[in-house]
Amino acid sequence: DGGITQSPKYLFRKEGQNVTLSCEQNLNHDAMYWYRQDPGQGLRLIYYSQIVNDFQKGDIAEGYSVSREKKESFPLTVTSAQKNPTAFYLCASSRKSPHDRSSTDTQYFGPGTRLTVL
Amino acid sequence: AQSVAQPEDQVNVAEGNPLTVKCTYSVSGNPYLFWYVQYPNRGLQFLLKYITGDNLVKGSYGFEAEFNKSQTSFHLKKPSALVSDSALYFCAVRDVWGSGSARQLTFGSGTQLTVLP
Repeated sequence: DGGITQSPKYLFRKEGQNVTLSCEQNLNHDAMYWYRQDPGQGLRLIYYSQIVNDFQKGDIAEGYSVSREKKESFPLTVTSAQKNPTAFYLCASSRKSPHDRSSTDTQYFGPGTRLTVL
Repeated sequence: AQSVAQPEDQVNVAEGNPLTVKCTYSVSGNPYLFWYVQYPNRGLQFLLKYITGDNLVKGSYGFEAEFNKSQTSFHLKKPSALVSDSALYFCAVRDVWGSGSARQLTFGSGTQLTVLP
């Protein structure tokens, strides 16, 4: 799990509530990512950020929002608009942006947050 | 669009035997290929990657993978399996010269490896 921390480890949410998942990295990486993992499926990209104050939608951004005010932090908010938010959420980072063609960078993952909607 | 297939949801192998976890990919250009391992309720751990050069890539914990361009495969192997290797394994691909979403990693659906004592 390296230098990426996610909190909380487990999170319970009532329907209609927004919740925010924390992701912090001390690797001095430029790029950060949020993925969603459901049983029997691969990871699906929610949002990514190449640099501070920049972020872009991934494949399944609807019902989620992010911010990148600091290089080391990339919080994810799961809004009430997300119809099926129960899942395991993984944050990752890489040294360079994926849009940097010279980048062969590996993405490194945090330990994850398991969100359950009650 | 790029894609990754892991044809086996589950692989069982006896401890001490060699193991193989299969992965095939599809990209428009040249691939960067990755293997990750996930233990229960944990994040993904990087095992190895293929960027260019030698087709046989060696990684962490005695794992290796062979890039086969003609078969578009990147199978993960280990000569002698350990019970502690039991985990969920993910293959991922990125198109070297792709644009837009092809610049992102695309993951397979995962293969659950169980090593039996």
